[in-house]
Amino acid sequence: SQQGEEDPQALSIQEGENATMNCSYKTSINNLQWYRQNSGRGLVHLILIRSNEREKHSGRLRVTLDTSKKSSSLLITASRAADTASYFCATEPYYNQGGKLIFGQGTELSVKP
Amino acid sequence: DADVTQTPRNRITKTGKRIMLECSQTKGHDRMYWYRQDPGLGLRLIYYSFDVKDINKGEISDGYSVSRQAQAKFSLSLESAIPNQTALYFCATSDLASGPSYNEQFFGPGTRLTVL
Repeated sequence: SQQGEEDPQALSIQEGENATMNCSYKTSINNLQWYRQNSGRGLVHLILIRSNEREKHSGRLRVTLDTSKKSSSLLITASRAADTASYFCATEPYYNQGGKLIFGQGTELSVKP
Repeated sequence: DADVTQTPRNRITKTGKRIMLECSQTKGHDRMYWYRQDPGLGLRLIYYSFDVKDINKGEISDGYSVSRQAQAKFSLSLESAIPNQTALYFCATSDLASGPSYNEQFFGPGTRLTVL
């Protein structure tokens, strides 16, 4: 079964607004990552946050991690039409043999110009 | 990512046929993965390999097999394709060396497979 559950499944906003996506997971993790997928294409890594980190920034992206609640959020500020894509969280479980990630079902973001 | 290539990009086949999907990488990574993506289900891991002599089953390996011919090549086979294997298939690589790219997975462009 999937480790990550993402919320909402779909999000539609206007250009310039902020977009927030949430991810919940079930077991202890080493790190959590966010990926982006443009329609029908391969996923692209956005940001990684380790289990001992609480917040991380990269450009217009802000990721938070709450290990007590087993949840993470991805905030995209000042969204652009080019941000339209699906966003996936992926967790590396604590028991991991090394390198295996478990992906959530994704949030489909639509940014209208 | 152009460093991870997949062939073919699209394939239509019939039930019962044997199909091979190929993945090549020039990133020099030891770890390679095969995923399938279905609408609403995200990515599910089929098989993964940590080096040429290592093959591991993922979440949904039934009906699939893999071959790691070299560090740079990882092939996925459907021995007897069935319609519910219609999906988008992705190959990915990663490197566990310490540094900013730790365990970041690099994806190929995908193969769209249709089984009639």
